[in-house]
Amino acid sequence: QKEVEQDPGPLSVPEGAIVSLNCTYSNSAFQYFMWYRQYSRKGPELLMYTYSSGNKEDGRFTAQVDKSSKYISLFIRDSQPSDSATYLCAMRASGGYNKLIFGAGTRLAVHP
Amino acid sequence: EAGVAQSPRYKIIEKRQSVAFWCNPISGHATLYWYQQILGQGPKLLIQFQNNGVVDDSQLPKDRFSAERLKGVDSTLKIQPAKLEDSAVYLCASSRMADTQYFGPGTRLTVL
Repeated sequence: QKEVEQDPGPLSVPEGAIVSLNCTYSNSAFQYFMWYRQYSRKGPELLMYTYSSGNKEDGRFTAQVDKSSKYISLFIRDSQPSDSATYLCAMRASGGYNKLIFGAGTRLAVHP
Repeated sequence: EAGVAQSPRYKIIEKRQSVAFWCNPISGHATLYWYQQILGQGPKLLIQFQNNGVVDDSQLPKDRFSAERLKGVDSTLKIQPAKLEDSAVYLCASSRMADTQYFGPGTRLTVL
């Protein structure tokens, strides 16, 4: 079993839709949770960063962490064609050099 | 602020040949990471440097992969000899310490 599971999609939605992206994990030591966006032929860029459980909102993006269920989500409101990309969840335990573990990524296409 | 620079962007080689990738991190970033991203998968950490010392190389195939970070700035990753399964995007990332990682555009390697 992988430490981090993420449905690869692809996910296709119309412009303006609410998008829900999810990851599950097995390691209860994970404390830091991130979402990265990766455009085709580009490196990942950090979208959201959350410590422990709870919600965090940044513009059209909301990240949720439920540590009791080992489940994290990213919601995108009013999706735009420019949101079309692969979304990677990533997480790590606390402590200085614990490595980041990535999900496989979900490919999202937002069509006009 | 300039981002993480990588070169070359693309490389095609035949199996058993050798190849080297170069990374220049963001100025002042002490920590440098090399990741391997196989098509359809999330990035996997190969090696992590703190200044010019190795913090984690547990997933580096040391029989064929080597990496160095001279003077705690630039880094090179080498594969010798390459195998077909090494075809992937090699991503370099940097961070000030063990916090937010910033990724370069990656080097896409094809091994024929």
